[in-house]
Amino acid sequence: EDQVTQSPEALRLQEGESSSLNCSYTVSGLRGLFWYRQDPGKGPEFLFTLYSAGEEKEKERLKATLTKKESFLHITAPKPEDSATYLCAVQAHGNQGGKLIFGQGTELSVKP
Amino acid sequence: EAQVTQNPRYLITVTGKKLTVTCSQNMNHEYMSWYRQDPGLGLRQIYYSMNVEVTDKGDVPEGYKVSRKEKRNFPLILESPSPNQTSLYFCASLAYHTDTQYFGPGTRLTVL
Repeated sequence: EDQVTQSPEALRLQEGESSSLNCSYTVSGLRGLFWYRQDPGKGPEFLFTLYSAGEEKEKERLKATLTKKESFLHITAPKPEDSATYLCAVQAHGNQGGKLIFGQGTELSVKP
Repeated sequence: EAQVTQNPRYLITVTGKKLTVTCSQNMNHEYMSWYRQDPGLGLRQIYYSMNVEVTDKGDVPEGYKVSRKEKRNFPLILESPSPNQTSLYFCASLAYHTDTQYFGPGTRLTVL
C-alpha cells in the first residue's frame, strides 16, 4: 500500500535556526513527490515537485531533496512568516492520472 | 488570476438535508479532484475527474456524488449528509504539463 509519513509532527524554531522536515514514502513506482505549504484555514499552496533520486529544488529559504525512500525540506534561517503546515504528497505511476497521497504534515512555528 | 473557487466557504446543515458544494477553475485544466481533510488523517481523495463526463472514485467516495458536465465546474454532492461527513473539503485542479495541482480555499462543512 502506498504510504507517506512525515516527521516531526510539529517543530518549533527560533528565527534564524535552520532545520529539516522529513517525508518518508513507500510507493509502487514513484511518478513525483510534491511539497505544499498550508496556512491555517487555507488550501495547500504548491511549493516543489521532485521526480527522481538526487534531484533538488530551491525557493527562497526552502530546499527540497529526494532519495529513493524519503524527501527532506530544508529551511535555512527561517523567518516567522515561514510558519505553516508543510505537506508532502506522492503520486504513483499510472495512478489515476493525478491522485496524490498525502502525509499528515509538519506544523512549523518560527518565533521571532 | 488563475484560481480555483469553492462555494460556500462555510456551511452548517442537518443530517439528511441534501447539499452541493460548487467548485470552479479558470485554468482550462482537464483534471479536477475533491479531497477532505480531517485531523490525524490528512488529506484524502474523494472523487476525481480526468475530463468532461469522466469521473471516478478516490479513496473515500461513500456518501458523495460528483458530476462533470463542463470543463471548469466539478460540484460535490452530498445526497444525505451525516455527521461523519463533517470535515474541511478542498477542490483541486491539475495542470498535466507541469504536474502542479492547484487547490481551492476550502469549504468547512458541519453536519449536525
